[in-house]
Amino acid sequence: KNQVEQSPQSLIILEGKNCTLQCNYTVSPFSNLRWYKQDTGRGPVSLTIMTFSENTKSNGRYTATLDADTKQSSLHITASQLSDSASYICVVSVTGNQFYFGTGTSLTVIP
Amino acid sequence: NAGVTQTPKFRILKIGQSMTLQCTQDMNHNYMYWYRQDPGMGLKLIYYSVGAGITDKGEVPNGYNVSRSTTEDFPLRLELAAPSQTSVYFCASSPQGISYEQYFGPGTRLTVT
Repeated sequence: KNQVEQSPQSLIILEGKNCTLQCNYTVSPFSNLRWYKQDTGRGPVSLTIMTFSENTKSNGRYTATLDADTKQSSLHITASQLSDSASYICVVSVTGNQFYFGTGTSLTVIP
Repeated sequence: NAGVTQTPKFRILKIGQSMTLQCTQDMNHNYMYWYRQDPGMGLKLIYYSVGAGITDKGEVPNGYNVSRSTTEDFPLRLELAAPSQTSVYFCASSPQGISYEQYFGPGTRLTVT
């Protein structure tokens, strides 16, 4: 069964600290993996897109990694800011325009 | 550019009523998508379109219909609303297919009672 699982479900960190979010998937045939940031009451915004051959991709303070062999991805946030408080969603796409969304990790950054 | 716009933002329907959720994009994107997001669940694809006049089912199409008469517009139709369709609906667009970034609208929160 095609599934995308994210951990932890929620996370609280102090402003300025780093954190890492995890994504495990059993989706195939794999096309690419995306990370989105979704603020409360808003639509998701793309952070990174990685194909099978890419191990790491950065977008400012966000760095995503992909291990296609173990079917794991992580999103590392450096020097967190209050504005990083949001839900972070991992999405795996397969050929044929199908997308499998994780349930997200809710991140809260406190001063 | 306004990006992807959706109307209405909120709507309450009675069981059995019909309505159309509007979605418009001004980026000249070929691909457009409709998703629903239920509390505590991941987004699920309802329908998608690869260009004007072409639509296809996603993971959860039952109870919905779509049309794509122009590049800009991709309305989602609910014919006989049911409580199970209470959800937040997101429209998205992308230049081409799954290798490209998707741009999401702000969402429509629908309650069916």
